[in-house]
Amino acid sequence: DSGVTQTPKHLITATGQRVTLRCSPRSGDLSVYWYQQSLDQGLQFLIQYYNGEERAKGNILERFSAQQFPDLHSELNLSSLELGDSALYFCASSVGTQIDTQYFGPGTRLTVL
Amino acid sequence: GENVEQHPSTLSVQEGDSAVIKCTYSDSASNYFPWYKQELGKGPQLIIDIRSNVGEKKDQRIAVTLNKTAKHFSLHITETQPEDSAVYFCAARLSNFGNEKLTFGTGTRLTIIP
Repeated sequence: DSGVTQTPKHLITATGQRVTLRCSPRSGDLSVYWYQQSLDQGLQFLIQYYNGEERAKGNILERFSAQQFPDLHSELNLSSLELGDSALYFCASSVGTQIDTQYFGPGTRLTVL
Repeated sequence: GENVEQHPSTLSVQEGDSAVIKCTYSDSASNYFPWYKQELGKGPQLIIDIRSNVGEKKDQRIAVTLNKTAKHFSLHITETQPEDSAVYFCAARLSNFGNEKLTFGTGTRLTIIP
């Protein structure tokens, strides 16, 4: 158990809908990262937050957004969902601003029908 | 941007033998190289990492070597056991004007044959 929690474990929704994925980092970690893992794209970095502020951006679509709250939990919002958004979404956390030792959560499996 | 290539994509070894997975990266400014193990239905788990000021690091049956000149790094697992069966990912950290990111390889599915 990495200490990173993610909810829900599974999410099934329809095209055009909007969903919110939630992540709680390990105790003491200030950085949260979001990744997308699909069969054809592997693990893709989406975005990093550090202590409530956006720190780094990867291949995140404009339909996706994220935020980190004062209690350090983070939410990833996915809107106008398309079939191709079906994937595993992982959250990871680390102590500082610099990308270093990251601990991954168990993931949320999103299925868009 | 950074590009990480990982080989092989699948690897089967007899229990007790060694397994080697190789990765190459494109940007010489990369300075941190972790390896992750992902079991079915779970998130990636960090198993070992190496920084650019070190050429080799070992932790029990697992070792990582880094060749900065050739821009490649490798994971070595000795005395393999059935529980080593998983997908392994390498990654490289590139720091680019304060915008850091980890770029992952495409993964190696390792199967240990009892």
